[in-house]
Amino acid sequence: QKEVEQNSGPLSVPEGAIASLNCTYSDRGSQSFFWYRQYSGKSPELIMFIYSNGDKEDGRFTAQLNKASQYVSLLIRDSQPSDSATYLCAVTTPYNTDKLIFGTGTRLQVFP
Amino acid sequence: DTGVSQNPRHKITKRGQNVTFRCDPISEHNRLYWYRQTLGQGPEFLTYFQNEAQLEKSRLLSDRFSAERPKGSFSTLEIQRTEQGDSAMYLCASSLGLALETQYFGPGTRLLVL
Repeated sequence: QKEVEQNSGPLSVPEGAIASLNCTYSDRGSQSFFWYRQYSGKSPELIMFIYSNGDKEDGRFTAQLNKASQYVSLLIRDSQPSDSATYLCAVTTPYNTDKLIFGTGTRLQVFP
Repeated sequence: DTGVSQNPRHKITKRGQNVTFRCDPISEHNRLYWYRQTLGQGPEFLTYFQNEAQLEKSRLLSDRFSAERPKGSFSTLEIQRTEQGDSAMYLCASSLGLALETQYFGPGTRLLVL
């Protein structure tokens, strides 16, 4: 079982819709969770991080964490074509909080 | 530009040659990470430094790979006797201590081994 799993997509949503991206992780003790956006040919950029169960909102982005079910999700409201990118989920493990373990990413396509 | 910088941005080499990449982190960041990313995959951790000390090296990293951060500022990643399987994007990131929410990636060095 992979440590961090994401559906590779593509996830296609119309402009203005809510995009929902999901991530599951295998280690119940994982403590910190991050969402990165990566445009084609570019490096990842951090858009959200969450440490506690529940929701965390930042502008059009909401991260949701459910440690009991071992999943973390990212909601993008009012999706724009410029949101089209690959979204990477990353977690830290309980035995090593110093580094990130990344999923393979979900490709999001927002069409006009 | 005060972000993470990497050089070169692109490198084409022949199998068996040695290559060296450089990373300059954000100046106040004491942690520096190297990742490798292949097409369709997320970044894979290679190694990291706190100041000049190399704290961890991935078990996946063969002995052909070596990294240094001699003065706790810039870092170099060397690959000896390159193989076609080394073709990837090599990403450097830096952070302020354990605060991974401050981790920023550089633009990466894309390596192609022919």
